[in-house]
Amino acid sequence: EAQVTQNPRYLITVTGKKLTVTCSQNMNHEYMSWYRQDPGLGLRQIYYSMNVEVTDKGDVPEGYKVSRKEKRNFPLILESPSPNQTSLYFCASSLRGRARDTQYFGPGTRLTVL
Amino acid sequence: GQQLNQSPQSMFIQEGEDVSMNCTSSSIFNTWLWYKQDPGEGPVLLIALYKAGELTSNGRLTAQFGITRKDSFLNISASIPSDVGIYFCAGQMTAFNKFYFGSGTKLNVKP
Repeated sequence: EAQVTQNPRYLITVTGKKLTVTCSQNMNHEYMSWYRQDPGLGLRQIYYSMNVEVTDKGDVPEGYKVSRKEKRNFPLILESPSPNQTSLYFCASSLRGRARDTQYFGPGTRLTVL
Repeated sequence: GQQLNQSPQSMFIQEGEDVSMNCTSSSIFNTWLWYKQDPGEGPVLLIALYKAGELTSNGRLTAQFGITRKDSFLNISASIPSDVGIYFCAGQMTAFNKFYFGSGTKLNVKP
């Protein structure tokens, strides 16, 4: 089954404790992206990747890191999480990131930073 | 970053009623997209629009790409309970680029 998977689905952590949220897709997509969803703000793009070893900042990249060492995986790293990073995070992928390529979203990771 | 203003923020309607929502931007977009998010899940693409003035349907859903390229509209006809969810508009400025989302319209349908 074609899908985007994220782990963990729920995470509660404390300020400053490094964490990684994994994202994996099995559709051989070149384009992958991370979003955060906050009430009243919709989804905001954090980082995106056009292909392996090619990443670029989205609208809200501060406090986040990403890497794309393999085509299927695109982990999101919070080196020193803060409470304002409490949010619902979505990973997404599409064939090549073109407007005509359908973007498929993962199920989401709900992160709480205390 | 770019702001997409989506309205209304929420709607409470009776089953069978038609629904309209819209999205406006201060910038020109080359592509407008409409997504639906069911509770506890990620957004799913409903309709994609690629040309100013374009009108596209997907079942009971119809969306339009505004002539100015700064707005888009989504209509749902004869709503049913499974239409409940959050509807997001999204835009992309060039063929390979970032995506910008609206704040969402939460739709509630009373049986």
